[in-house]
Amino acid sequence: EAEVAQSPRYKITEKSQAVAFWCDPISGHATLYWYRQILGQGPELLVQFQDESVVDDSQLPKDRFSAERLKGVDSTLKIQPAELGDSAMYLCASSLGQDHYEQYFGPGTRLTVT
Amino acid sequence: QKEVEQNSGPLSVPEGAIASLNCTYSDRGSQSFFWYRQYSGKSPELIMFIYSNGDKEDGRFTAQLNKASQYVSLLIRDSQPSDSATYLCAVNGAAGNKLTFGGGTRVLVKP
Repeated sequence: EAEVAQSPRYKITEKSQAVAFWCDPISGHATLYWYRQILGQGPELLVQFQDESVVDDSQLPKDRFSAERLKGVDSTLKIQPAELGDSAMYLCASSLGQDHYEQYFGPGTRLTVT
Repeated sequence: QKEVEQNSGPLSVPEGAIASLNCTYSDRGSQSFFWYRQYSGKSPELIMFIYSNGDKEDGRFTAQLNKASQYVSLLIRDSQPSDSATYLCAVNGAAGNKLTFGGGTRVLVKP
């Protein structure tokens, strides 16, 4: 069964350090999403890609967060420098796009900033 | 007012009973609606989606949509202890395929 892959699954970092997350969407899925989920809340969209282009990054804290999907397949989300408030689950999801809106999530990366 | 609202629960349901979860949304132009199940410490899993008014059934799950009332619900029949999880309602707005999530309803199925 096709799945979204993410790594690492867990990351502990000290504040002010840099951290990066990787996502490989389901094969053939043109749209890729990065979400942040704080404990007890629903996921919040950080950035959405259509192929290699950013469609929506309105909620991405651009002073410290960056995201790229250079070849329109896998994607990297980076935080530099990390802050204590960045501790959360970072989720990647993908969808076919083109009027197919069902999004499928990867296992997530649990980030703890100390 | 939040864009997507859910009762946080917990909703306590006896094993074998029907669990009824509700979700309201504010964007009248919303086109598609999703229910995700999330176990503690895990990522959300898509269990149902509905695009048209009315009911949609899949196994023990039924999604109900009423666009006029801006209301979507999920029924879980013959609830099992393995159904104990947080259920997230997500709505795709009129502007495109951006999902907005509610805060989730925690369901506890007691044997």
